[in-house]
Amino acid sequence: GAVVSQHPSRVICKSGTSVKIECRSLDFQATTMFWYRQFPKQSLMLMATSNEGSKATYEQGVEKDKFLINHASLTLSTLTVTSAHPEDSSFYICSARGLADTAGNTIYFGEGSWLTVV
Amino acid sequence: AQTVTQSQPEMSVQEAETVTLSCTYDTSENNYYLFWYKQPPSRQMILVIRQEAYKQQNATENRFSVNFQKAAKSFSLKISDSQLGDTAMYFCAFFSYNQGGKLIFGQGTELSVKP
Repeated sequence: GAVVSQHPSRVICKSGTSVKIECRSLDFQATTMFWYRQFPKQSLMLMATSNEGSKATYEQGVEKDKFLINHASLTLSTLTVTSAHPEDSSFYICSARGLADTAGNTIYFGEGSWLTVV
Repeated sequence: AQTVTQSQPEMSVQEAETVTLSCTYDTSENNYYLFWYKQPPSRQMILVIRQEAYKQQNATENRFSVNFQKAAKSFSLKISDSQLGDTAMYFCAFFSYNQGGKLIFGQGTELSVKP
């Protein structure tokens, strides 16, 4: 089946620094990628949708200048948390949808990334 | 706007027994997809089963099956012969291209399978 890889799986950064999380579709071309944030025991909260070659569409309440999303190719999207603060500590998950029916209209998820800001 | 509701925050079942997780959704669309995802303690989201709204036949994947009631907008998941490895959060999700191709998730149900 389709595989989405997310890196790093865990990252610790100092408050005020920036950290980048990568999301790659390994065996299919992903026209659309999604970034979610998940708090413990809660559902996935969609942060933004990114389409290859265009600007990301952010959900209401998500700061686009803080959470920079780049979808430079059909296999790679990145989320950069800028000027990170402890309240940004969370679990971040990406997902990807393929071209037409290459992934059967199914959205596949990365393994997720734990971000801890100290 | 589309919404997905899972009214059971937590459920438990004895190993080898059957459990049903509930999901309802609200939409005015006719063509859409419904999914159940499993999230074990590892946090990896795993696709359990999918259902196309235009198909009347309920989807089945081994021990997992759904009861899709389109008119009632209900999409429950039945797990037969529950195994300890089924312990996880389960999320019901709605998808349609008219929603920008994004998944809309329910709140999740935490399932515990007890030995």
